[in-house]
Amino acid sequence: GAVVSQHPSWVICKSGTSVKIECRSLDFQATTMFWYRQFPKQSLMLMATSNEGSKATYEQGVEKDKFLINHASLTLSTLTVTSAHPEDSSFYICSARGQTGGNSPLHFGNGTRLTVT
Amino acid sequence: GNSVTQMEGPVTLSEEAFLTINCTYTATGYPSLFWYVQYPGEGLQLLLKATKADDKGSNKGFEATYRKETTSFHLEKGSVQVSDSAVYFCALTNRLSGNQFYFGTGTSLTVIP
Repeated sequence: GAVVSQHPSWVICKSGTSVKIECRSLDFQATTMFWYRQFPKQSLMLMATSNEGSKATYEQGVEKDKFLINHASLTLSTLTVTSAHPEDSSFYICSARGQTGGNSPLHFGNGTRLTVT
Repeated sequence: GNSVTQMEGPVTLSEEAFLTINCTYTATGYPSLFWYVQYPGEGLQLLLKATKADDKGSNKGFEATYRKETTSFHLEKGSVQVSDSAVYFCALTNRLSGNQFYFGTGTSLTVIP
């Protein structure tokens, strides 16, 4: 089945530094990838939609200059949290769907636990 | 618009008990419906799906039937195991809404031996 690999699975960084999270589709090409944020015991909050070869579409309230998204190929999207602050600590999850789009399911990475100290 | 409403948890059951997690939806047109499962510290995994009315999705003993007349997609399992302890998310996607996914708030299930 479709596999999405997310790396790293956890990261601890100091306030003010930047962190990059990678999301790869291993056995399919993903024209669209999605980045979610999940707070403890809560549902997923869609942050942005990443489209290969074009600018990401950010949801209302998500700072595009703080959460930089790059989708340079059909198998890789990256999320960079710039100038991280403790309030950015969260669980970040990426997902992807294949080129068939339509009603095909989302495939999720295993998430990245970010802790900013 | 599109939305998904899930029964609130947490749900605690004894092993081998019957499970139902309710999910209802609001959507224009004919959405596809999904159940995802999230184990602690992990991302979401697709559990089952149904793409049209009266379809039944099933996997690992879990089932859900797409009921258009009641706009529901309730998740059921006849006999839960401790390993089923996880958070379950109901979701829909809809061509008429640009294929964006809409998730319920999740229902936490704990199965005790």
